[in-house]
Amino acid sequence: GAGVSQSPSNKVTEKGKDVELRCDPISGHTALYWYRQSLGQGLEFLIYFQGNSAPDKSGLPSDRFSAERTGGSVSTLTIQRTQQEDSAVYLCASSPRPGQGNSEAFFGQGTRLTVV
Amino acid sequence: LAKTTQPISMDSYEGQEVNITCSHNNIATNDYITWYQQFPSQGPRFIIQGYKTKVTNEVASLFIPADRKSSTLSLPRVSLSDTAVYYCLVGDGPGSGNTGKLIFGQGTTLQVKP
Repeated sequence: GAGVSQSPSNKVTEKGKDVELRCDPISGHTALYWYRQSLGQGLEFLIYFQGNSAPDKSGLPSDRFSAERTGGSVSTLTIQRTQQEDSAVYLCASSPRPGQGNSEAFFGQGTRLTVV
Repeated sequence: LAKTTQPISMDSYEGQEVNITCSHNNIATNDYITWYQQFPSQGPRFIIQGYKTKVTNEVASLFIPADRKSSTLSLPRVSLSDTAVYYCLVGDGPGSGNTGKLIFGQGTTLQVKP
């Protein structure tokens, strides 16, 4: 597709269940980012993948959160044993030339996660 | 990464010019200044980026003084559809040691009224 694609668009899960959120970045983009946005709040950085480098996981809020990026393309964000405070919109973005100036990050529409 | 400070919210009326200023006192020599716009229920989208002086595109202008410790996003003749959150980011410059990681602050919520 032409843009960043995220699935599912909405996810309702029961407290304690595991969830997987998927991100398909724009083809050829070397950088991929995950953010979390709670209602009325700014974007909270979670994790950043850049090429073959080790991911920057400094934003992951707890060890229940993990992410992987297979083959430098598709990424999956996994939340284990979900809690109600995990409810938020999870946004994915990709960028073609991070760290080189004039690079633009393209965002997906997000996955709205509701933990009940 | 340099910290940015911008107003939490601003109000304007249709047809007015809106200027949103962002402070970034610790900007590094090679850092760029980038602005994103986010509409409700959508991901942010890139508006404009600059390094110094003035940059203009079809959407906005970006004014950067010589010391680069602040920048001003200017939206000419806003309409109701410009109601959004505007984020200022600093970094992502070549050779700055920045890996390309993008950190968003709280942004400025612009409300355009009829």
